[in-house]
Amino acid sequence: EVQLVESGGGLVQPGGSLRLSCAASGFTFSSYWMHWVRQAPGKGLVWVSRINSDGSSTSYADSVKGRFTISRDNAKNTLYLQMNSLRAEDTAVYYCARDLGGLVVVILDYWGQGTLVTVSS
Amino acid sequence: NFMLTQPHSVSESPGKTVTISCTRSSGSIASNYVQWYQQRPGSAPTTVIYEDNQRPSGVPDRFSGSIDSSSNSASLTISGLKTEDEADYYCQSYDSSNVVFGGGTKLTVL
Repeated sequence: EVQLVESGGGLVQPGGSLRLSCAASGFTFSSYWMHWVRQAPGKGLVWVSRINSDGSSTSYADSVKGRFTISRDNAKNTLYLQMNSLRAEDTAVYYCARDLGGLVVVILDYWGQGTLVTVSS
Repeated sequence: NFMLTQPHSVSESPGKTVTISCTRSSGSIASNYVQWYQQRPGSAPTTVIYEDNQRPSGVPDRFSGSIDSSSNSASLTISGLKTEDEADYYCQSYDSSNVVFGGGTKLTVL
């Protein structure tokens, strides 16, 4: 059974940093592209970042470019999101999701349950 | 970058059929596949349609997807509505550098 379990969320002050993790199991993690998607309270889904299967290629939404870094450790079956210079508008539930498609198609077929990040003083 | 526009909300009675639209602002709707996700309150999204019209295993055939190049839009149709279908629905597509979600449609089954 495919499982994605996020962790690392919490309360952080504006300007602070946080690292999210997503532990994957039930599939060959190293074969899949992975994504982070966020959802502010009461709002819709917003794509944040993606990484290819071996970690050599990444892309980001303009709103987080230069502040967030996506990475992965295929030996540990874990996806990461390093978030720096956090702002109030980064407050959201952060989901990791598996990409069934890969290079030319983006199909997010499995999602974790999410971890809440709150940026507030 | 393009946008995907959905109606904010729709409502229909149990047993009826409802269609949710998703209009692409620029570029052809047919150039990249469209996916649809269902999100019940307090839960993570799940995929109900992928590659425009494909259903994952376990999704009932009451759910169907289509695209219409003339209106540059995709549609999710749910027939034989059940109260359990009440949820938020999001369309999603992509281009070479971005992944785009629609704003979401709240489906009320009353």
